[in-house]
Amino acid sequence: DTAVSQTPKYLVTQMGNDKSIKCEQNLGHDTMYWYKQDSKKFLKIMFSYNNKELIINETVPNRFSPKSPDKAHLNLHINSLELGDSAVYFCASSFSGGRNIQYFGAGTRLSVL
Amino acid sequence: DQQVKQNSPSLSVQEGRISILNCDYTNSMFDYFLWYKKYPAEGPTFLISISSIKDKNEDGRFTVFLNKSAKHLSLHIVPSQPGDSAVYFCAASTSNAGNNRKLIWGLGTSLAVNP
Repeated sequence: DTAVSQTPKYLVTQMGNDKSIKCEQNLGHDTMYWYKQDSKKFLKIMFSYNNKELIINETVPNRFSPKSPDKAHLNLHINSLELGDSAVYFCASSFSGGRNIQYFGAGTRLSVL
Repeated sequence: DQQVKQNSPSLSVQEGRISILNCDYTNSMFDYFLWYKKYPAEGPTFLISISSIKDKNEDGRFTVFLNKSAKHLSLHIVPSQPGDSAVYFCAASTSNAGNNRKLIWGLGTSLAVNP
């Protein structure tokens, strides 16, 4: 039973399209995250939600819009996709405060052609 | 400006020997450090952590050492096994942000354990 699951695993699309990635966690965590891992393998946080409230919003183009319908779900919608958006996107979740041990999904590999 | 640095992109070790992965940081406000392991096509998985008030934490074959004065930590794997072959990420966090605590990640070290 997967703890943090994200769909789809692979996403190939054309420049200019709009796409969404979904994430769900069944760990009872109150905080969820989106990370981007670029071609240099650098893991960089994009957003974090705590109990459906946005608490971290790094310097990300506003074409990226996260949405948390409840604390078990955090979706990422990307408008007007660009070539530079090609990357692996990871969803993660944790309990707030404490040691902040984050649990990750398997990643969504986005390729923009 | 990379606050967490893993200067060795790769490391190769013989099975049964010790693997030592290093991590340096620049922010003296970091108070918690974590190591994650990542296999291809999977997300990172938590391995071991250490608080800044300690200098060593051990869990089975994995030990993390922290040298605060040098702003350096290391992960020791003894004995190394072929299944340990993966990318290892060092991450650090600070409590200053309260509920906004976030992890700052190194670039990772790819470990290959040869049979």
